[in-house]
Amino acid sequence: EVQLVESGGGLVQPGRSLKLSCAASGFTFSNYYMAWVRQAPKKGLEWVATISTSGSRTYYPDSVKGRFTISRDNAKSSLYLQMNSLKSEDTATYYCARHGVTIAAISYWYFDFWGPGTMVTVSS
Amino acid sequence: VQMTQSPSYLAASPGESVSISCKASKSISNNLAWYQEKPGKANKLLIHSGSTLQSGTPSRFSGSGSGTDFTLTIRSLESEDFAVYYCQQYNEYPPWTFGGGTKLELK
Repeated sequence: EVQLVESGGGLVQPGRSLKLSCAASGFTFSNYYMAWVRQAPKKGLEWVATISTSGSRTYYPDSVKGRFTISRDNAKSSLYLQMNSLKSEDTATYYCARHGVTIAAISYWYFDFWGPGTMVTVSS
Repeated sequence: VQMTQSPSYLAASPGESVSISCKASKSISNNLAWYQEKPGKANKLLIHSGSTLQSGTPSRFSGSGSGTDFTLTIRSLESEDFAVYYCQQYNEYPPWTFGGGTKLELK
């Protein structure tokens, strides 16, 4: 059974940093792209970052580019999100998700498994 | 690609059928997924490729559409179906983008 469990959320002041972790199990972690998706209170889902299987390629939306860094440790089946220069608008529940399925050499970039999320509150 | 869902809220009773619309700002072929969000549970992928049910998705769920207009239909609603539903496009990326969500409530 695929399981993704996030940790590391909490209350942090604006301008400070926080690092989220995601522990994966139930599948060969190193074979899959992984992602972070967030949901601000009473808002919809927003994709935050994606990382390739080896970690050599990363992708971010403009809203977090230059402030957030996604990384992974395949030996530990773990995904990370380093968040710097946090702003109040980064307040959200952050979800770890498995990103992309390859079928017959074609990749389909939906999120097929999600964790339950970890809450990040940026406030003074 | 901007994704617009409607309605934002929908009230229905068990046994009824409902439909949720998702419109893309440009053609996305059939590269669309639907997710279900329930309190205290991990988001669940219901449908991908516009109409393909993910393993474990009950057959009362169906997806249709291609290009810019898509629909999620739930037939014979059950109590466990009351949740928030999101669409997501994966035709042009990054960014991967979601609709604003539709909350399906018990009437």
